[in-house]
Amino acid sequence: DIQMTQSPASLSASLEEIVTITCQASQDIGNWLAWYQQKPGKSPQLLIYDATSLADGVPSRFSGSRSGTQYSLKISRLQVEDIGSYYCQQAHSNPNTFGAGTKLELK
Amino acid sequence: EVQLVESGGGLVQPGRSMKLSCAASGFTFSNYGMAWVRQAPTKGLEWVATISYDGSSTYYRDSVKGRFTISRDNAKSTLYLQMNSLRSEDTATYYCTRFTSLYLGVMDAWGQGASVTVSS
Repeated sequence: DIQMTQSPASLSASLEEIVTITCQASQDIGNWLAWYQQKPGKSPQLLIYDATSLADGVPSRFSGSRSGTQYSLKISRLQVEDIGSYYCQQAHSNPNTFGAGTKLELK
Repeated sequence: EVQLVESGGGLVQPGRSMKLSCAASGFTFSNYGMAWVRQAPTKGLEWVATISYDGSSTYYRDSVKGRFTISRDNAKSTLYLQMNSLRSEDTATYYCTRFTSLYLGVMDAWGQGASVTVSS
């Protein structure tokens, strides 16, 4: 199975701050990487697919990037509504493994 | 508007069975692969099972193989998860999800979740 190592596990940041979350795949998955946001008490929502493509309706302050088997999610200016947990997921092969998640809180 | 509505969750004793349903609306259900993803209390997301758009192919995580069965009824736009021989470690919220049309494995719609508690 492909392992997705996500970091950090938790993150405290201030409003308007730049936030970066990373995921390391245990093998080559190409661009088969998605990011999801889960707000407290809600279902997850797709943020980014194909490593860098924004899902419909997602604000442009979110962006995804890839360097080899390392993937990053960047929030350019943190807003209150961005608080929650974030998960990466590889869609390259079954089982479609998720990272352990990053809990993002306001400082 | 795409909607996925799960039902059938609740409290069940270890070793017993439970069947979850997911009613889909707002899109042509028969055109999309679907999956179940679960989340244990205070834990992360865990993929459980996948079914192709026509039901001809299914995939399971190792820990549920032989116990869980994913199926679909395209005429009723409904996805199912039959769970047998339930264990305490199956306790979780189960989400019905839809795969994107182009990127299989990427989930672009999620239900509100069905809570399953396995306990005596």
